[in-house]
Amino acid sequence: DSGVTQTPKHLITATGQRVTLRCSPRSGDLSVYWYQQSLDQGLQFLIQYYNGEERAKGNILERFSAQQFPDLHSELNLSSLELGDSALYFCASSVVGGKDEQFFGPGTRLTVL
Amino acid sequence: GNSVTQMEGPVTLSEEAFLTINCTYTATGYPSLFWYVQYPGEGLQLLLKATKADDKGSNKGFEATYRKETTSFHLEKGSVQVSDSAVYFCALSDADYKLSFGAGTTVTVRA
Repeated sequence: DSGVTQTPKHLITATGQRVTLRCSPRSGDLSVYWYQQSLDQGLQFLIQYYNGEERAKGNILERFSAQQFPDLHSELNLSSLELGDSALYFCASSVVGGKDEQFFGPGTRLTVL
Repeated sequence: GNSVTQMEGPVTLSEEAFLTINCTYTATGYPSLFWYVQYPGEGLQLLLKATKADDKGSNKGFEATYRKETTSFHLEKGSVQVSDSAVYFCALSDADYKLSFGAGTTVTVRA
């Protein structure tokens, strides 16, 4: 158990819908990262937050957004969902960032029908 | 930019065989290097890490040495078990904060 929690574990929805994925980092970690894992793209970095502020952005679509709250939990919002958004979404956390090791949650499996 | 290339699988071995998974990287700075493992139906677990050249990371019988001259971080285990069946990811982290992952190598160990 990494100490990172994610909810829900599974999510099934329809095209065009909007969903929210939630992540709680390990106790004491200030940085939260979001990754997408799909068969064709592999593991792709989406976005990082540090202590409530966006720090780095990767291959995140404009339809996707995220935020980190004062209690350090984070949410990833996915809107206007398409079939191709079906994937595993992982949250990770680290103490600060940079070259720190990141600890991953169990993931949320999103299926868009 | 940063990138990681690891040997393609799948790799199928018998129990007690020697495992090696090759990983090479391209980075502009001095990255930290990691191996993560993903067991079926689970998230990624940090297996081992190395933060500077010539460092050796080790855990659960797995080892990898940070080789700056060859930009490599190959994973090895001397005697694998069925429980080592998983997908292994090589990754690097540089000052740009994100982890860059290789494509993953699926390892299956047969009894």
